[in-house]
Amino acid sequence: TAGITQAPTSQILAAGRSMTLRCTQDMRHNAMYWYRQDLGLGLRLIHYSNTAGTTGKGEVPDGYSVSRANTDDFPLTLASAVPSQTSVYFCASSDSMGSGNSPLHFGNGTRLTVT
Amino acid sequence: GQNIDQPTEMTATEGAIVQINCTYQTSGFNGLFWYQQHAGEAPTFLSYNVLDGLEEKGRFSSFLSRSKGYSYLLLKELQMKDSASYLCAVRDSNYQLIWGAGTKLIIKP
Repeated sequence: TAGITQAPTSQILAAGRSMTLRCTQDMRHNAMYWYRQDLGLGLRLIHYSNTAGTTGKGEVPDGYSVSRANTDDFPLTLASAVPSQTSVYFCASSDSMGSGNSPLHFGNGTRLTVT
Repeated sequence: GQNIDQPTEMTATEGAIVQINCTYQTSGFNGLFWYQQHAGEAPTFLSYNVLDGLEEKGRFSSFLSRSKGYSYLLLKELQMKDSASYLCAVRDSNYQLIWGAGTKLIIKP
């Protein structure tokens, strides 16, 4: 079972360039999330989607955009990358956002370096 | 503000028991999660507590006291493969997950 697939695994990006991080899940989960993980900090939510066709802003949304055209895909776009966006990005999904016991399942992450 | 506190790093010996603490201050409470994350890998789900008390799952147990805003993860019969970071996360009143920075557990032979 694939679960959640993220691509690319890693990327070096010049500042000012745009990039889309891809995320696909095959578990038919309703909710999907994008997090960034930086050393010494907890996972920080960038954007989320409760269900296909809806998206919402998380804790650190600036500089990022998302779309949720269907249940399976949840791409994250950086319109004009800056060095502070250097991070490890995790896509995650859960059966529901509004249910307490609905653990997140994570992809393997994308390590992004903005130079 | 909302806050999750965990020790940054702990060291334990193979075969021993270790307790990783987590304290939280959040706007509302809809459950607490523990995840394991090996270096360079994705976090994986370990346990969920929503009621006070101890939940046991093999070598791992998780405890919750909502009145104290406190949880711990107990790992027994430690193995080298348990070397990882352990993340505590609380679901708040809006069902958003608030994450701690994680506790890096180092297991020594």
